[in-house]
Amino acid sequence: NAGVTQTPKFRVLKTGQSMTLLCAQDMNHEYMYWYRQDPGMGLRLIHYSVGEGTTAKGEVPDGYNVSRLKKQNFLLGLESAAPSQTSVYFCASSSQQQMTRAQETQYFGPGTRLLVL
Amino acid sequence: AQSVTQPDIHITVSEGASLELRCNYSYGATPYLFWYVPSPGQGLQLLLKYFSGDTLVQGIKGFEAEFKRSQSSFNLRKPSVHWSDAAEYFCAVIHNSGYALNFGKGTSLLVTP
Repeated sequence: NAGVTQTPKFRVLKTGQSMTLLCAQDMNHEYMYWYRQDPGMGLRLIHYSVGEGTTAKGEVPDGYNVSRLKKQNFLLGLESAAPSQTSVYFCASSSQQQMTRAQETQYFGPGTRLLVL
Repeated sequence: AQSVTQPDIHITVSEGASLELRCNYSYGATPYLFWYVPSPGQGLQLLLKYFSGDTLVQGIKGFEAEFKRSQSSFNLRKPSVHWSDAAEYFCAVIHNSGYALNFGKGTSLLVTP
């Protein structure tokens, strides 16, 4: 059982380049999330999805787009990378099996380190 | 909006000593609270969580946390710290969307011999 996987693990971009980060989960989870982690800032929510074909903005969505075409995949796109997007990106997923969504544990991927020059 | 504050950016503890990492929450009703720690190659690992019931929560790796409504706190504790506990620890609360998490800024734990 792989859990949550992220591709790539590390990437270097030049300002203005585009790229897509892939998150995949094999736990049949409904909910998926993208966070970014920056020193002294903790993790901040970029976008999330509550089901296939749905997406919603989090706290820091500017400069990012997402898609959830398949239940198991959640893609994060950077159309024109900027140095301010240098960060560690974490994907997470959770299920809706329990009575209360808030009780669900979020399972995190190993992260993608992105450096924008 | 629900949020958490971790007042201490860095904490240094001697190996074998007790540990307490502070987390204060901001929310009127009972919040759902979590403590996470990075796990090498596996992203963030859940140490423990609280959403109702017993206010003293036991977690993995010998950690526990106590929910204190009167102090709006959910502090993480461990009786005896091991060198392998050195890491950055994150407190989190359910985001106002009801789905995601709002994280604190983290507390870095350094363990000295």
